Amino acid sequence: NAGVTQTPKFRVLKTGQSMTLLCAQDMNHEYMYWYRQDPGMGLRLIHYSVGEGTTAKGEVPDGYNVSRLKKQNFLLGLESAAPSQTSVYFCASSLQGVRTEAFFGQGTRLTVV
Amino acid sequence: GEDVEQSLFLSVREGDSSVINCTYTDSSSTYLYWYKQEPGAGLQLLTYIFSNMDMKQDQRLTVLLNKKDKHLSLRIADTQTGDSAIYFCAESINYGGSQGNLIFGKGTKLSVKP
Repeated sequence: NAGVTQTPKFRVLKTGQSMTLLCAQDMNHEYMYWYRQDPGMGLRLIHYSVGEGTTAKGEVPDGYNVSRLKKQNFLLGLESAAPSQTSVYFCASSLQGVRTEAFFGQGTRLTVV
Repeated sequence: GEDVEQSLFLSVREGDSSVINCTYTDSSSTYLYWYKQEPGAGLQLLTYIFSNMDMKQDQRLTVLLNKKDKHLSLRIADTQTGDSAIYFCAESINYGGSQGNLIFGKGTKLSVKP
């Protein structure tokens, strides 16, 4: 069982470039989340999804878009990367929202120069 | 708004007990969680407590909840060097009408000295 897999693990972007982070889970979870982790800031929710075909904004959604076309995948897109988006991005999934355990991926370290 | 507060650092000696404290603001939170993050890794659930409980014990871990003061603590007995990590407190809230989302504290970095 792979659990939650994030790709890529590392990436360096130039300001203005675009990219997509992929999150895949093989646990048939309904809920999926994207967080960013910054020093001294903890984890902040970017976007989340409560099921296939649904997405919703979290605490810090600006500059990001997401899609959940398939239940097992949750994509996070940066249309025009900015240095302020330099961060470690974590994807998570859970079976029934936060009433059950959330499983996290290993993270994607993104640097925007 | 919702906020979860933790102290940022804690240093203990191997074999001592560690106590990590957390305060939260949303009185309607139904579940409160402790996650552990080791260097270069994602977060792993350590334990959780349902809001109608005062205490939960799981081997070396003891979680205490004071709902009146919105205070949560994690006690690690006989702390080992392998316990060195960042510990996150999290509360579940209703966010945008959905079932719930996790709000994390900034994390407490636990350093265990031999």
